[in-house]
Amino acid sequence: QSVLTQPASVSGSLGQSVTISCTGTSNDVGDYNLVSWYQLHPGKAPILLIFEVSKRPSGVSNRFSGSKSGNTASLTISGLRADDEADYHCCSYAGRSTYVFGSGTTVTVL
Amino acid sequence: QVQLQESGPGLVKPSQTLSLTCTVSGGSIGTGSYYWSWIRQPAGKGLEWIGRIYRSGTTNYNPSFKSRASISEGTSKNQISLELTSVTAADTAIYYCARNPFSDVAYDAFDIWGQGTTVTVSS
Repeated sequence: QSVLTQPASVSGSLGQSVTISCTGTSNDVGDYNLVSWYQLHPGKAPILLIFEVSKRPSGVSNRFSGSKSGNTASLTISGLRADDEADYHCCSYAGRSTYVFGSGTTVTVL
Repeated sequence: QVQLQESGPGLVKPSQTLSLTCTVSGGSIGTGSYYWSWIRQPAGKGLEWIGRIYRSGTTNYNPSFKSRASISEGTSKNQISLELTSVTAADTAIYYCARNPFSDVAYDAFDIWGQGTTVTVSS
């Protein structure tokens, strides 16, 4: 299984929008609408932000949105806030009851 | 509200077996449409799915672990266990357990996580 490719870091100013890409293959991201996104803060439990490409769990801000085109999924954070500064990881179902995660992206709020 | 808590030794010697427990509170692992997964994150790297278990005892694993990983229901009720054999320094990581629904709640995602436990493999 290959790791999904994410940019190592992205940055944006307060109030702006940033988009994180997550590139896989036709065996994972491209073949299933089962991409999810997670926010990680050090020492805390990871938080599910998006599932099934673009659905938000109850309680997650609508500032977080997801999409997919071909083998690449994307997470957009709009109205950037200071507490959005964190690591973000994508995940895709990869068939045969397995999952593959992305390499992770650090978001810096300027 | 369901909560997960990982526990286990923070230090394991190379070639030995890493054993961790995930305790589920506020809910039962024996009910609902949920798998229970183990996921890890080596320092400075991305998350890595290790495997999962369903209440029936059905398990699925990441092929990358080549049969080194074993997930089972714990000796106590509402616990999930992970064993990873023949560990090396590459197994040093934060280990998480997570709930993995196969329902509309969050289909094929990981909706509730523990805070993780750090395991270092070193002599």
